[in-house]
Amino acid sequence: GQSLEQPSEVTAVEGAIVQINCTYQTSGFYGLSWYQQHDGGAPTFLSYNALDGLEETGRFSSFLSRSDSYGYLLLQELQMKDSASYFCAPPFNKFYFGSGTKLNVKP
Amino acid sequence: DGGITQSPKYLFRKEGQNVTLSCEQNLNHDAMYWYRQDPGQGLRLIYYSQIVNDFQKGDIAEGYSVSREKKESFPLTVTSAQKNPTAFYLCASSIGTGVPGELFFGEGSRLTVL
Repeated sequence: GQSLEQPSEVTAVEGAIVQINCTYQTSGFYGLSWYQQHDGGAPTFLSYNALDGLEETGRFSSFLSRSDSYGYLLLQELQMKDSASYFCAPPFNKFYFGSGTKLNVKP
Repeated sequence: DGGITQSPKYLFRKEGQNVTLSCEQNLNHDAMYWYRQDPGQGLRLIYYSQIVNDFQKGDIAEGYSVSREKKESFPLTVTSAQKNPTAFYLCASSIGTGVPGELFFGEGSRLTVL
């Protein structure tokens, strides 16, 4: 079976740094992906970690530790437009999603 | 431009009626998926298809049906057997299910039962 756990909601201020954690249990493992979804919109792909370590893409970074079954998404220099829900998902087979983390960015 | 097109964007249905949501992709992807999302919740998998003329149930398939007669198309029918169909429905595709990959989503269809 598969399970993914993320905090349900996180609040931070503009310009700050926020980390969204994801712990998982999956049958078979092919890395971890992250998606962003604004209210009423479609999820969009942010990043994919196939191996342990940090992947950086602009203001967003994603980290994976396979031995700890743990990953996180790091958002730097937060902007109001980053207010959205963020989902971690193993990018394989059924593309199973967790409940996601709602990020609220305040002025 | 390549992408996934869902229609209609908004749909209202009376109780007891079947409705069909359209999903078309021109990305030449083998795999297609249907997810349901309720307010403030994550995505739950309804059905997925790895190749034409084949599809598998996801976690919440009861009350739904699909077909995959063409690679480009994966329509979802919400039947009257689905007791609480009001939700946001998302269609997605990927290159394949046998390799790690990225999901590409359509803009969604919002179904409301009156």
